[in-house]
Amino acid sequence: QVQLVQSETEVKKPGSSLKVSCKTSGDTFSSFGLNWVRQAPGQGLEWLGGIIPVFGTTNYAQKFQGRITITTDESTNTVFMELRSLRSEDTAFYYCAREEFNSWPRFDSWGQGTLVTVSS
Amino acid sequence: DIQMTQSPSSLSASVGDRVTITCRASQNIVNYVNWYQHKPGTAPRLLIYAASTLQSGVPSRFSGSGSGTDFTLTISSLQPEDLATYYCQQSYNTFTFGPGTTVDIK
Repeated sequence: QVQLVQSETEVKKPGSSLKVSCKTSGDTFSSFGLNWVRQAPGQGLEWLGGIIPVFGTTNYAQKFQGRITITTDESTNTVFMELRSLRSEDTAFYYCAREEFNSWPRFDSWGQGTLVTVSS
Repeated sequence: DIQMTQSPSSLSASVGDRVTITCRASQNIVNYVNWYQHKPGTAPRLLIYAASTLQSGVPSRFSGSGSGTDFTLTISSLQPEDLATYYCQQSYNTFTFGPGTTVDIK
C-alpha cells in the first residue's frame, strides 16, 4: 500500500511563505514523480507543479512560476512544496500525488491533504 | 496552455441510471486524459487513465472513451456511493484539470 503522509494544518499571514511536506517510501521516492494539487473552497482541482526526485527535475504551472519551489530531502524520502507571497486566494487543501514517470502520466496515489488558511 | 472544459457542471440522477460526463480539450491531446473521483473530505481517486483504461480496483460500471479533443466518462448504473465530483485531466503537456462535474443522487 503506497503511503504519502503530509504535514499538518497551517495558518499563515498574507505575504508570508508556506512549506508543506509529503513523506513517502524509498521505493516511491526512487521510481516516481511527486506532484502538488490544490483545491480552494468552492473551486476545482488545480495542478501547481511536480518533481522527479531521482532526476531532480521540476515542472511548475505557469500561474505559479516565480512563487513556488518544489524540493526533496533524500535522507527522509520527503518532498516539499514552498509557496511564497501568500494571499487569501491561496487558502486551500493542498495534496501531494504520485506519478509513475516512466509509464502513463497519471496520479495514482494521493496524500491525505493539508489544509492551509491564509488570513490576517 | 491546454484548457479543459466539462459538461454538465452538475447533474442529478437516480440509482441505477446511466450517467455520462463529457470533457473537451482546447487542442488535440490524442488519448492523454485521466478521470478522477473526488468526495468531500477525502483525497481524489484515479478512475480511468489513457482515456479508457480502468485503474486497478475501480468498479467496472465506470468506463471512459474518446480521443483527440472529446472524451466521456460513463457510469453504467449509478450507485449511492458514486455521489462525488468528477474531474478530467489532460496529461499531454504537464497537467490541467477540468472544472469538475458534481453528481448528485435523486
